[in-house]
Amino acid sequence: EVQLVESGGNLVQPGGSLRLSCAASGFTSSDHYMDWVRQAPGKGLEWVGRTRNKANTYTSEYAASVRGRFTISRDDSKNSLYLQMNSLKIEDTAVYYCARAYYYGSGGSGSYPYYYMDVWGKGTTVTVSS
Amino acid sequence: AIQMTQSPSSLSASVGDRITITCRASQDIRNDLGWYQQKPGKAPKLLIYAASTLQSGVPSRFSGSGSDTDFTLTISSLQPEDFATYYCLQEYNYPLTFGGGTKVEIK
Repeated sequence: EVQLVESGGNLVQPGGSLRLSCAASGFTSSDHYMDWVRQAPGKGLEWVGRTRNKANTYTSEYAASVRGRFTISRDDSKNSLYLQMNSLKIEDTAVYYCARAYYYGSGGSGSYPYYYMDVWGKGTTVTVSS
Repeated sequence: AIQMTQSPSSLSASVGDRITITCRASQDIRNDLGWYQQKPGKAPKLLIYAASTLQSGVPSRFSGSGSDTDFTLTISSLQPEDFATYYCLQEYNYPLTFGGGTKVEIK
């Protein structure tokens, strides 16, 4: 069964750091783009960042709100994804989901690829508060 | 960043109703849009990708259409399990951006 399980959420003070983990099973995560998405209490979904697959040298993209503070990394030996969060702010309080961004082929006669988040974990809760 | 504007933000409907949710992008995103369903306390679920392609396992009462800046999600006959919040997501460029969500409630 294809599955993602997040862990590492906790209560942390403003300015602190936290590392979230996402363990993949049922597929090889290094073959896929992977995302982090968060949801603040009572709010909508916010994309946090994406790491490309091994074939694309694991380069990453980030939302402006976290760029320079958050870093996505991987450990292929553990089939896992991580989100290192530094300089945490109160507004980072949220449920954090990891998701697989599956390659659905290409559009425009092959000129651009389609990636969509097809498998999601259940999420882990991060609370930033003093 | 591309802004995704969803409407309505909420709607009340009855079982069996046909409903339509719209999503407007602040610039041309071709057809690089997905629709997600989220139930309370659960992770989102992919329904539609590339604006109109049904994800495997999703019931055929769900459909998507549109291109460039204007997109719609239609549920042809609302079922009890469809009461949820729906989000659009543009995958055209980074940063990826979600719409604000549409909560579908029971009338």
